[in-house]
Amino acid sequence: DVKVTQSSRYLVKRTGEKVFLECVQDMDHENMFWYRQDPGLGLRLIYFSYDVKMKEKGDIPEGYSVSREKKERFSLILESASTNQTSMYLCASSSGLNTEAFFGQGTRLTVV
Amino acid sequence: AQRVTQPEKLLSVFKGAPVELKCNYSYSGSPELFWYVQYSRQRLQLLLRHISRESIKGFTADLNKGETSFHLKKPFAQEEDSAMYYCALHSGGGADGLTFGKGTHLIIQP
Repeated sequence: DVKVTQSSRYLVKRTGEKVFLECVQDMDHENMFWYRQDPGLGLRLIYFSYDVKMKEKGDIPEGYSVSREKKERFSLILESASTNQTSMYLCASSSGLNTEAFFGQGTRLTVV
Repeated sequence: AQRVTQPEKLLSVFKGAPVELKCNYSYSGSPELFWYVQYSRQRLQLLLRHISRESIKGFTADLNKGETSFHLKKPFAQEEDSAMYYCALHSGGGADGLTFGKGTHLIIQP
């Protein structure tokens, strides 16, 4: 059973803090993704990675960076958190370009 | 650029009525289309994909390349179908990730 685990379900951070969201998958998937989910806007791709140390910008990368030092772990970094980054963040992984994406349970981040 | 459009933010139908959730896409090549579902308090999960041509939980979806549509249908809605439904597209080449629509909140009334 594929598992994608996000380190926190809920986070509250202050404006200007550096925030790390961690995601781990246990199925040796090549691809990993970070999305944010907002009501009325659906899922928007922030960054994705198709291999260790490789990353590609998605549709809304501004204000975010990512790190993939190991195949199983993909971290999303908010360099200086702002209130407009309050959102639900979803991590996903997949084994190839045309296969099912498996999602984590989500991290609800509130920036105050 | 690829795009997925779900025109209805909210769709409310009565139990036992037919359901159709609309999805249109724009992509110049041959896309792979998916429907994902998120039930209350659960993680997002795959419902079905066009290449498998299967029925899941009574839902079907046919890819219509002429109309660039991938509508999700079920002949008789059940209360447990209430959820958020997202249509998604993968371009099948390059490293573009999955592009999602904005989602349709389906409510099945008793």
